[in-house]
Amino acid sequence: GENVEQHPSTLSVQEGDSAVIKCTYSDSASNYFPWYKQELGKRPQLIIDIRSNVGEKKDQRIAVTLNKTAKHFSLHITETQPEDSAVYFCAANPRGGTSYGKLTFGQGTILTVHP
Amino acid sequence: DAEITQSPRHKITETGRQVTLACHQTWNHNNMFWYRQDLGHGLRLIHYSYGVQDTNKGEVSDGYSVSRSNTEDLPLTLESAASSQTSVYFCASRPQGMQPQHFGDGTRLSIL
Repeated sequence: GENVEQHPSTLSVQEGDSAVIKCTYSDSASNYFPWYKQELGKRPQLIIDIRSNVGEKKDQRIAVTLNKTAKHFSLHITETQPEDSAVYFCAANPRGGTSYGKLTFGQGTILTVHP
Repeated sequence: DAEITQSPRHKITETGRQVTLACHQTWNHNNMFWYRQDLGHGLRLIHYSYGVQDTNKGEVSDGYSVSRSNTEDLPLTLESAASSQTSVYFCASRPQGMQPQHFGDGTRLSIL
């Protein structure tokens, strides 16, 4: 089955700096990669996603890049703000087989943005 | 608006009791999932379903069961609650294909 590794587990930045979180996946057939943000005591919420036919996607201060050859994808947050502080999860979706439709999540990154 | 709701939001029970957590979605999604979230373990998949009458075990299914009698609901049952099952439980659903998965607000379950 799919295996997703996420790094770093914790990340601390100053307000205004950029933050980068990286994930690697094992199943070369995976075709969809969402990122979720989870604030304390809340549900995980989708912030951005990318499909395997695209190399990069951007939404305001957030961007995701995908390298299919190396099997890794990254979340980039620019001009960080204190409200970006949360736990971030990456995930991968296998294309077929018995895992189809079932996202595999990374272990999460605790991002802290200091004012 | 379509949504996914979990109930109860909080529950305290005793070891050995049977507990059922409800999950209801109005998106008409075929795929539904149950996760538990514990500090240091991220989101761990308990059970999932790809449609009515379909159920599958996830990575931490021991002590849990689900049933899918209709598209909207996937209740999670703890047959005999154990203290190790104290956790936050999230239900989620998504449509087929390369589409996002949406989570409910979670149920905080404490087993004393």
